[in-house]
Amino acid sequence: DAGITQSPRYKITETGRQVTLMCHQTWSHSYMFWYRQDLGHGLRLIYYSAAADITDKGEVPDGYVVSRSKTENFPLTLESATRSQTSVYFCASSGVLGADHNSPLHFGNGTRLTVT
Amino acid sequence: AQSVTQLDSQVPVFEEAPVELRCNYSSSVSVYLFWYVQYPNQGLQLLLKYLSGSTLVKGINGFEAEFNKSQTSFHLRKPSVHISDTAEYFCAVTGGVLSGTYKYIFGTGTRLKVLA
Repeated sequence: DAGITQSPRYKITETGRQVTLMCHQTWSHSYMFWYRQDLGHGLRLIYYSAAADITDKGEVPDGYVVSRSKTENFPLTLESATRSQTSVYFCASSGVLGADHNSPLHFGNGTRLTVT
Repeated sequence: AQSVTQLDSQVPVFEEAPVELRCNYSSSVSVYLFWYVQYPNQGLQLLLKYLSGSTLVKGINGFEAEFNKSQTSFHLRKPSVHISDTAEYFCAVTGGVLSGTYKYIFGTGTRLKVLA
């Protein structure tokens, strides 16, 4: 089935460790996004990508690294996890959006990350 | 830069009563507007979207929203709510690829609590 898959669903890690959150989509969407969701802040954009090998910083990129070697994958890496990065992380993808196109944002089910 | 403001963090309402969730946006370019709904422990689902054309848009589950360019608003309404509408609702804006601002910016969310 077409869709967007995030793994793992839950992750507990220790401060200072590196952790990678995976995101895979089967729609061949050009655009992919990483958000974090925190109480009182809604969804904040971490990084986004327009195509393979093209990535840009969002609102809160510090402490995160992304790569996009293939269109369908967009992993998010926390190089040295901190407690402030405890959050729910959502990956999303989108096709071209305009008056003649109809491909809004589609979300994965999220990864709940706890940093101890 | 684009931004979204959802003025109400929580909205309690009795079952079968009408509800309006407010959303105001700021953008220097033409925008596309969205409402997403998030049920507990789930990802976000598209409720409705405004791309162009009629300013009154209808979505799933009986929701509708009206785009008001002069007031830069995109308020969500439902004439009669059900207990099952209890969820968090997010307003989002993007300029779309044609404007070169394809990232989606979300508001902080409004928790709708429907009371029996």
